[in-house]
Amino acid sequence: KNEVEQSPQNLTAQEGEFITINCSYSVGISALHWLQQHPGGGIVSLFMLSSGKKKHGRLIATINIQEKHSSLHITASHPRDSAVYICAVAGNQFYFGTGTSLTVIP
Amino acid sequence: DADVTQTPRNRITKTGKRIMLECSQTKGHDRMYWYRQDPGLGLRLIYYSFDVKDINKGEISDGYSVSRQAQAKFSLSLESAIPNQTALYFCAIGPAAGEVDTQYFGPGTRLTVL
Repeated sequence: KNEVEQSPQNLTAQEGEFITINCSYSVGISALHWLQQHPGGGIVSLFMLSSGKKKHGRLIATINIQEKHSSLHITASHPRDSAVYICAVAGNQFYFGTGTSLTVIP
Repeated sequence: DADVTQTPRNRITKTGKRIMLECSQTKGHDRMYWYRQDPGLGLRLIYYSFDVKDINKGEISDGYSVSRQAQAKFSLSLESAIPNQTALYFCAIGPAAGEVDTQYFGPGTRLTVL
C-alpha cells in the first residue's frame, strides 16, 4: 500500500509547455513537500505547503486538503527543469511518492 | 558549504563486509534521518534520531544500525553487507521547533554491494 501516489510516472514535454504533476495521499498530514532530484542524485526542497498555493518563479504548487491532493505546475518549461519530482507528506512520519521523471526537450 | 554532508559519496564493497556511512550537519538541527532509495520505490526510512540519546527504527531497519555520536553526526552501519542493500542512501535533517515539518537532504551515497 502506498500512502503517496504520483502521476504520471514519466513525462516528456517540449520546451515551453505547461506541465502538471499530480500527487494524492491517503494519510493525515501536517504538510506536503515537493522535492526535486537531479540526475546527480541530490534532493532539494522546492515547496512546503499545508494549504492553498505557493509560487516560486515558474513553479506553482497547490494543495487541496479536503481532497488529499496536490499539484505541481511548471510554466514555460525548460530543459533545465528535467529532473525527478517527488511528492512527500509529513504525517506521523514522512511518506514519499515514487517520483515523476520529467524530460523537457529543446 | 553544504548544510548536510555525507561520506563517502560512492562506495563499492563485497558481500559480508562492514560498511559505515557518515552524515554531518552544520545547521544545528536536532532531528536526523537515514533513508534509502531504490529504483521504482519512494525513499524509505531506515532509522531516525530526534536527539543524541534518541534512536528509532524506521520502516526497513533490519540489517542496519546507527550511531548518533553528537548532535551534528549520525552514522549508518551495515554490519554484513548484502547485494540487496545496493541503493542510494540519503541523510536528512530537520528542526525540532519552528518548521518541524521540513527536511534538508544530504547529497546521497551510492552504495554497491557485489
